[in-house]
Amino acid sequence: GAVVSQHPSRVICKSGTSVKIECRSLDFQATTMFWYRQFPKQSLMLMATSNEGSKATYEQGVEKDKFLINHASLTLSTLTVTSAHPEDSSFYICSAGTSGVPNEQFFGPGTRLTVL
Amino acid sequence: SQQGEEDPQALSIQEGENATMNCSYKTSINNLQWYRQNSGRGLVHLILIRSNEREKHSGRLRVTLDTSKKSSSLLITASRAADTASYFCAPISETSYDKVIFGPGTSLSVIP
Repeated sequence: GAVVSQHPSRVICKSGTSVKIECRSLDFQATTMFWYRQFPKQSLMLMATSNEGSKATYEQGVEKDKFLINHASLTLSTLTVTSAHPEDSSFYICSAGTSGVPNEQFFGPGTRLTVL
Repeated sequence: SQQGEEDPQALSIQEGENATMNCSYKTSINNLQWYRQNSGRGLVHLILIRSNEREKHSGRLRVTLDTSKKSSSLLITASRAADTASYFCAPISETSYDKVIFGPGTSLSVIP
């Protein structure tokens, strides 16, 4: 089946720094990618929808200036957490949807961000 | 959007017993996927069942799909302590750009 990877799998950073997380579709082209956040013992919450070549669509309550999303190619979307603070510590998970037939969507393994 | 809702939210069984969890969704799907998440870890893809399939097996896992009822079930047979995890269903709509809204998941505890 299709594979979605994320890099890095874990990252620890100091408060105030920016962190970039990559989401790649390894064997298919993804016109749409989704970014989720998961706090401890909670379910996955959708943050934004990323479309290749256009601006991302953010869910209500998600700060677009803080969580910068770039979907520059059909296989790569990046999420940059700017000026990270301890409350941004979370699990960030992406999913990628194909543009072919049949339509498919697969989830990446996630990136654990810890902000000190 | 497509929303999945797991039931029950918590399940505790003895090792060796079978565990069944259910997923309901709202609109037509292309496929439905089940994922496992161990505490503090990432999602692990378990199985994908397509809308034209009714049942699928993978090792100790058995997934059923009833599109008329918009529901799916995941059965784990002969459970092991290592099966302790949260389980999420992801109903995927017929359009790839349709977002998935996750439910709370089923937290499974397998007691040795």
